[in-house]
Amino acid sequence: GAGVSQSPSNKVTEKGKDVELRCDPISGHTALYWYRQRLGQGLEFLIYFQGNSAPDKSGLPSDRFSAERTGESVSTLTIQRTQQEDSAVYLCASSLAARTNYYGYTFGSGTRLTVV
Amino acid sequence: RKEVEQDPGPFNVPEGATVAFNCTYSNSASQSFFWYRQDCRKEPKLLMSVYSSGNEDGRFTAQLNRASQYISLLIRDSKLSDSATYLCVVGGGSNYKLTFGKGTLLTVNP
Repeated sequence: GAGVSQSPSNKVTEKGKDVELRCDPISGHTALYWYRQRLGQGLEFLIYFQGNSAPDKSGLPSDRFSAERTGESVSTLTIQRTQQEDSAVYLCASSLAARTNYYGYTFGSGTRLTVV
Repeated sequence: RKEVEQDPGPFNVPEGATVAFNCTYSNSASQSFFWYRQDCRKEPKLLMSVYSSGNEDGRFTAQLNRASQYISLLIRDSKLSDSATYLCVVGGGSNYKLTFGKGTLLTVNP
């Protein structure tokens, strides 16, 4: 697609429920990243996928968080047993991996998650 | 020391002012440097890459000092539309993960 597409744009869920967030990267972008941004805070790295390599999961805050990516396309971020501190905007970004150092990432418009 | 550290701000300046943002990074092996802009409740967008020799794009000038591990962004003749949060971003090179500073909020007043 023309840009990074994320869905849903907004999600309100009850504490304890599971949620699934979706990211569709720019076509041809081999690298895909998930970040979290709490209100008034900076971007917090969660996970990074690059081609067929093992994902870098070093930023996932707990085992309630997991992510999958199908080949070099769609990714889903799953949060199990949501807690109020999970409330944040979840941002997905993609890049042509080898060109990241020249062109940076392109972000999607994010999913705003509210846990009530 | 934080990986990427920026002026905490906020900066409030009148239209037409010149404003400078500073940033330091801790990883001396970093190879890529950027400034991103984030409008309120929007996603970050690339403003400009930062090259070793320094670079300019219209009213915006970015500088890199590798020896001091320091990056700067200068905005001249600021406009109301420049009001946003400016994020300093650094890449490690061998992987493609970028590290973002917390950002500096700029408000340009009429």
